[in-house]
Amino acid sequence: KAGVTQTPRYLIKTRGQQVTLSCSPISGHRSVSWYQQTPGQGLQFLFEYFSETQRNKGNFPGRFSGRQFSNSRSEMNVSTLELGDSALYLCASSWGGSTSDEQYFGPGTRLTVT
Amino acid sequence: GENVEQHPSTLSVQEGDSAVIKCTYSDSASNYFPWYKQELGKGPQLIIDIRSNVGEKKDQRIAVTLNKTAKHFSLHITETQPEDSAVYFCAASMNSGYSTLTFGKGTMLLVSP
Repeated sequence: KAGVTQTPRYLIKTRGQQVTLSCSPISGHRSVSWYQQTPGQGLQFLFEYFSETQRNKGNFPGRFSGRQFSNSRSEMNVSTLELGDSALYLCASSWGGSTSDEQYFGPGTRLTVT
Repeated sequence: GENVEQHPSTLSVQEGDSAVIKCTYSDSASNYFPWYKQELGKGPQLIIDIRSNVGEKKDQRIAVTLNKTAKHFSLHITETQPEDSAVYFCAASMNSGYSTLTFGKGTMLLVSP
């Protein structure tokens, strides 16, 4: 069974640009969660999608957005990039049916903003 | 919201020794507590988890204990090996909704041969 895949693995962008990251969950999983990982703040929850609907959202500005498609693949978008957006962006997939579902992470996308 | 504290931030042990990492959480409604191992350049890997209706769970050299009254849970690794060296994260489910976790800051475990 294939794991969670994320593309691209590495990105370098300039301040003010926008970026789109993609995540393909484990087959059969309907929930995709996104997290930002930085050395200073650790792993922080961005948002979660289930059946094409955003169910939960963390404390991030509106520049961070996402969506989910009918095949459960998800994308997240960051507009007007800032230097502080440099981070490892991780997505995790799960069945999504309970608060105690196991979440499996992808390898992440390393975003560098210059 | 949920807050998870993890200690220690760094742990150095000799091969064959045991390692213990401890976490506390604030939201008494949290019901799911996974542990992840993250190696350099990789995403976090789920290694063991425990749900609030269980006090202890073991999988070979790894065990997790949960004390709901005190709101703390711990990871125990026995007979450590150099390949156990990595950053370990504890997490707790957020009561605000499904598939959302609050993570501790991580523990860097170094196992010396």
